[in-house]
Amino acid sequence: DQQVKQNSPSLSVQEGRISILNCDYTNSMFDYFLWYKKYPAEGPTFLISISSIKDKNEDGRFTVFLNKSAKHLSLHIVPSQPGDSAVYFCAAKTMAGKSTFGDGTTLTVKP
Amino acid sequence: EAGVAQSPRYKIIEKRQSVAFWCNPISGHATLYWYQQILGQGPKLLIQFQNNGVVDDSQLPKDRFSAERLKGVDSTLKIQPAKLEDSAVYLCASSLAVGGNSPLHFGNGTRLTVT
Repeated sequence: DQQVKQNSPSLSVQEGRISILNCDYTNSMFDYFLWYKKYPAEGPTFLISISSIKDKNEDGRFTVFLNKSAKHLSLHIVPSQPGDSAVYFCAAKTMAGKSTFGDGTTLTVKP
Repeated sequence: EAGVAQSPRYKIIEKRQSVAFWCNPISGHATLYWYQQILGQGPKLLIQFQNNGVVDDSQLPKDRFSAERLKGVDSTLKIQPAKLEDSAVYLCASSLAVGGNSPLHFGNGTRLTVT
């Protein structure tokens, strides 16, 4: 039973355009949702988070939207840059601190 | 601040052999995690420590995997005996706080290949 799903294994966008990465979850008890970015041969690094009581959080070019009724969140990157090319993981966190990850979406931003 | 340190970076062993991984978390981070990441999948939690106590080891295959965190700082993860399906990247992470939006800080991982 996969509690966090990223249904698109890959996404390709043109530089300057918007990238939208999606994530669905099944457990209503998740407290926070976080996005991590991973380059090859490195560990994931934290990008942005959102509380379960909010519906939007913005940090520069990155915005995360949460739709609790649909159990869906998305990460928007505007404008996309070639350096954004990486694997993006969605993670859902309980109050006990346990994070459950999706299987990731590989983003390729073409110059 | 110095990041999470892990060693070795790569390890190749034969099945039924044993292997150990080491992790040094960010200074001051009381919570330490070990994750297993199989190729094409997201990280899967193996064990969570709070200081030197185990908080969650429900997904740790205890017949072959063991982990300890002596003195609440460094941690080691051991596999004995290894199986082919243990081939994966083993990621160590630490966090400043358990709850809230306190993120995980990951090391660069140890890539294990079991032949």
